Amino acid sequence: DTEVTQTPKHLVMGMTNKKSLKCEQHMGHRAMYWYKQKAKKPPELMFVYSYEKLSINESVPSRFSPECPNSSLLNLHLHALQPEDSALYLCASSQSQGRSPLHFGNGTRLTVT
Amino acid sequence: GIQVEQSPPDLILQEGANSTLRCNFSDSVNNLQWFHQNPWGQLINLFYIPSGTKQNGRLSATTVATERYSLLYISSSQTTDSGVYFCAVEANTGFQKLVFGTGTRLLVSP
Repeated sequence: DTEVTQTPKHLVMGMTNKKSLKCEQHMGHRAMYWYKQKAKKPPELMFVYSYEKLSINESVPSRFSPECPNSSLLNLHLHALQPEDSALYLCASSQSQGRSPLHFGNGTRLTVT
Repeated sequence: GIQVEQSPPDLILQEGANSTLRCNFSDSVNNLQWFHQNPWGQLINLFYIPSGTKQNGRLSATTVATERYSLLYISSSQTTDSGVYFCAVEANTGFQKLVFGTGTRLLVSP
């Protein structure tokens, strides 16, 4: 069983909807990440939070809005997405940002219609 | 940015065979990890190995940081080893972000 929990497992949303992806870890990790993975491609980094502060934003469009309410939780708010945003969204955590093993959740498979 | 290439891109093995997967990177790194993504999409961390050699059961990994490559060895492969193997590196540039390689897709047949 993964120690990083993501909900929901699957999500179908229209282009005018607003939805949120949630991620939770209880390993005491202080860095949390969002990655996006398209089919047959490697994961691509979107955002990094370190000690609850946004550390890296990989020029992600503003229709994706991350939030880190506390050290255990990470959200990704979605609004006005496009069909090309359909992908597997992966959350991960590590003891600290950089030089520590990454632990991934099982992902949310998102379909935008 | 740093480039990470993995080879071979695809590999088909008979159960019980051994294999070696390679990861080449274009710049010096201070963090290298190997992951296995199973057919359901779950990414499992296999090794955190910025240098040296580690072993975990039938799997072992070696990173030669000075020559900018890492190897993942799978011995006595099983059908459950099927999936995609990624290496991921963090360049020694201070940006502290992990960049994934192109992946090796492995199919182990019974």
